[in-house]
Amino acid sequence: AQSVTQLDSQVPVFEEAPVELRCNYSSSVSVYLFWYVQYPNQGLQLLLKYLSGSTLVESINGFEAEFNKSQTSFHLRKPSVHISDTAEYFCAVSEYGYNKLIFGAGTRLAVHP
Amino acid sequence: NAGVTQTPKFRVLKTGQSMTLLCAQDMNHEYMYWYRQDPGMGLRLIHYSVGEGTTAKGEVPDGYNVSRLKKQNFLLGLESAAPSQTSVYFCASSYTQRRGNTIYFGEGSWLTVV
Repeated sequence: AQSVTQLDSQVPVFEEAPVELRCNYSSSVSVYLFWYVQYPNQGLQLLLKYLSGSTLVESINGFEAEFNKSQTSFHLRKPSVHISDTAEYFCAVSEYGYNKLIFGAGTRLAVHP
Repeated sequence: NAGVTQTPKFRVLKTGQSMTLLCAQDMNHEYMYWYRQDPGMGLRLIHYSVGEGTTAKGEVPDGYNVSRLKKQNFLLGLESAAPSQTSVYFCASSYTQRRGNTIYFGEGSWLTVV
């Protein structure tokens, strides 16, 4: 059965510092990988996803994630964070042929001035 | 763009009461889902539907029922609410089963059972 582990429940960081949110998954088959972001009192929004091809995927607001098959990881990174990046971030996995997402427990990113 | 709309947004129930959460989507999506979100546990799938008239169990279906009588609507029912069902509920939808289809979420329904 597939599962997702987000290694940090909370990540405090100062504005303009780099950040990495870690995600590991387990699955016996090929997967699609996603990062969703949830701003306070809102639903989840897709940030980026890996389907195939280049293992490095980027979002429009400067985040990137790299699929590492050997380490079964999909860590999210941003070289310089802003106050507006404060949110909860969820890593999710979906097995080929299925459209059900399995979510990690979430990582709360708190950006301080 | 309405997208996925959930009603009500907030509700307080007494133990044993029943209620229905309504989800509507205007994107002509085949798939619809109900998730619950609890602190430290991420989102867990309650039930889902792959098309009008179909439903299936997810990870945590006990205590809930669902119906998909119309393609655009997906109802989540609690027949006899329990305090353990206090949670934030999210409805979501997506196109038919394809590679990595994006799932679109509603803004959530906060339910408290006292």
